[in-house]
Formats: sequence, C-alpha cells, structure tokens
Amino acid sequence: EAQVTQNPRYLITVTGKKLTVTCSQNMNHEYMSWYRQDPGLGLRQIYYSMNVEVTDKGDVPEGYKVSRKEKRNFPLILESPSPNQTSLYFCASIPRRGGGETQYFGPGTRLLVL
Amino acid sequence: SQQGEEDPQALSIQEGENATMNCSYKTSINNLQWYRQNSGRGLVHLILIRSNEREKHSGRLRVTLDTSKKSSSLLITASRAADTASYFCATVPAGYGGSQGNLIFGKGTKLSVKP
Repeated sequence: EAQVTQNPRYLITVTGKKLTVTCSQNMNHEYMSWYRQDPGLGLRQIYYSMNVEVTDKGDVPEGYKVSRKEKRNFPLILESPSPNQTSLYFCASIPRRGGGETQYFGPGTRLLVL
Repeated sequence: SQQGEEDPQALSIQEGENATMNCSYKTSINNLQWYRQNSGRGLVHLILIRSNEREKHSGRLRVTLDTSKKSSSLLITASRAADTASYFCATVPAGYGGSQGNLIFGKGTKLSVKP
C-alpha cells in the first residue's frame, strides 16, 4: 500500500532533550516536506527536500534540522526542543517537484514539549 | 507566508444541505488544491484545479477557480454527517524552482454537519 509513515505518532518530551521524528514513503517520490500545524495558523512548511542530499528551508525552519540521505526517508530533528515547538507535525511527499501535484500526507506526530 | 484564506472559519449546516467554502489567495498560482482533515488526523487530498481551469467536479464536490479575483470555492452538495471535518485550500505558486512543491495552506474552514 502506497503510504507515508511517521514515527512516533505521539511524543511527550522535556525542553532541551534532542529528538527525531522519522518519515518514510514507499512511493519513490522525489519531493518530501515537513509541516507543522498550530491552531489558528494552519499548516506551515518547515523544511523540504527536492531529492537525496538536497534540502532547503521552508517558512518556519528555526529550531529544526532535516536530512535526506536516502530517497524514502526524511527525518525531522529537534536538537534542543522548546515549548513553542509543541505542535502537530506532518510529513508529505509528491512524485516530483515542479508538477504541482497532489501531496501525500503522513498521519501526523503530536509533540508536547514540557 | 500564508497565502490562502478560507471563509468562513466555521460553518454549521444540517445533513442534506449544501456547504460552500471560499478561499482567497494573493499571488499567481500553478494550481489550487483542497484538502480535508478529520480532527487531529492527516490531510486527505480532495481535488486539484489548475490555473487554466475554471471548474472541476468530483462526486459531490464542485470546485471553481477565478484567477482574476484570486479566489476559489468548494461546494459539497447533499452533505452528510461524515463530511464533518476541516477543509483547507492550498496553493502552489506559479513559476519554476524548488519551492513549487511548497503548498501554501490557508487556515481552514471547520465544517460541522448535523444529522
């Protein structure tokens, strides 16, 4: 089944404790992206990757890192999480950049930083 | 940068009625997409309309696009309780470059369909 998976789905952590949220897609998509969703603000893009080893900042990249060593995986890293990063995070992928095609979203990761 | 703005923010209707949601955006687009999100869950793509299209249908969904007014509307006909969800419009900016894959979302319309 074609899908985007994220892990963990729920996470409670404390300020400053490094964490990684994994994202994996099995559709051989080139383009992957991370969004965060906050009440009243909608979804905002954090980082995106056009292909392996190619990543770039989205609209709200501060406090986050990403890597794209393989096509299928696009982990989101919070080196020193802070309470303002409490949010619902979504990973998404599309077959290729430039086509403006449908994005496939993962189920979301709900993060609480205490 | 927020591009799409949905209107209304919340909409409550009875089953069987039609629901209309509007979206306005600011810059030229390649296409506009509508997504649905059930409470706290992932987004599901509903329909995509390209900048050279004016209207598109998919089942009970009808989407219109007016590029001169930079606006779109989503109509759900004969609504059902299961349509209760948040609906987001998202635009793909026109032009080439890496950001073309960046969907710019609005804040969403929360639709409640009462049985």
